[in-house]
Amino acid sequence: AQTVTQSQPEMSVQEAETVTLSCTYDTSESDYYLFWYKQPPSRQMILVIRQEAYKQQNATENRFSVNFQKAAKSFSLKISDSQLGDAAMYFCAYRRRGGSEKLVFGKGMKLTVNP
Amino acid sequence: DTAVSQTPKYLVTQMGNDKSIKCEQNLGHDTMYWYKQDSKKFLKIMFSYNNKELIINETVPNRFSPKSPDKAHLNLHINSLELGDSAVYFCASSQGNGLNTEAFFGQGTRLTVV
Repeated sequence: AQTVTQSQPEMSVQEAETVTLSCTYDTSESDYYLFWYKQPPSRQMILVIRQEAYKQQNATENRFSVNFQKAAKSFSLKISDSQLGDAAMYFCAYRRRGGSEKLVFGKGMKLTVNP
Repeated sequence: DTAVSQTPKYLVTQMGNDKSIKCEQNLGHDTMYWYKQDSKKFLKIMFSYNNKELIINETVPNRFSPKSPDKAHLNLHINSLELGDSAVYFCASSQGNGLNTEAFFGQGTRLTVV
């Protein structure tokens, strides 16, 4: 079974600084997807960034970028120029390639942004 | 227009009652899911449906029964509610052909059993 591990339950960062959230996963599959979701206090689950395992290039979305190390099964999220609105729970998630596959989530990490 | 909408957003009920949560998506997706987020924020799949057919049924008590009248709707009915059922329940949808992998989530239903 696939598992996703987020070892840091909480982190804090100063506004405008950079922070990196770590995630590791375990799978025997070679083709899959990885995601970072953000859950602010509003409870809404918001997709931050997505990475296809077959792509060697790391995904980027504005201030958000990932460091995808397939051999190490590591998928970290870097948030640059942190903003107060980035404060939220962040979940790393895995999904097998194929139709109708479920998301497997890590336990989440609470990010606090200090002004 | 809300892509995935759940009703109600909040639900407070007594132990032993039966309740339903409704979910609708207007994205044209063919796969819908129910996830449960417990008090420690852990998210776990409960069920998924593809074109009205149940395809994932994780270890969930029989008191939970999903129903999908059409591919745009997936409802969750819970019988004989217990204190441990208190959680946030998320509905989600995605396109099951694997080309677009993103799952869109509803705003969640916070269920409190007293």
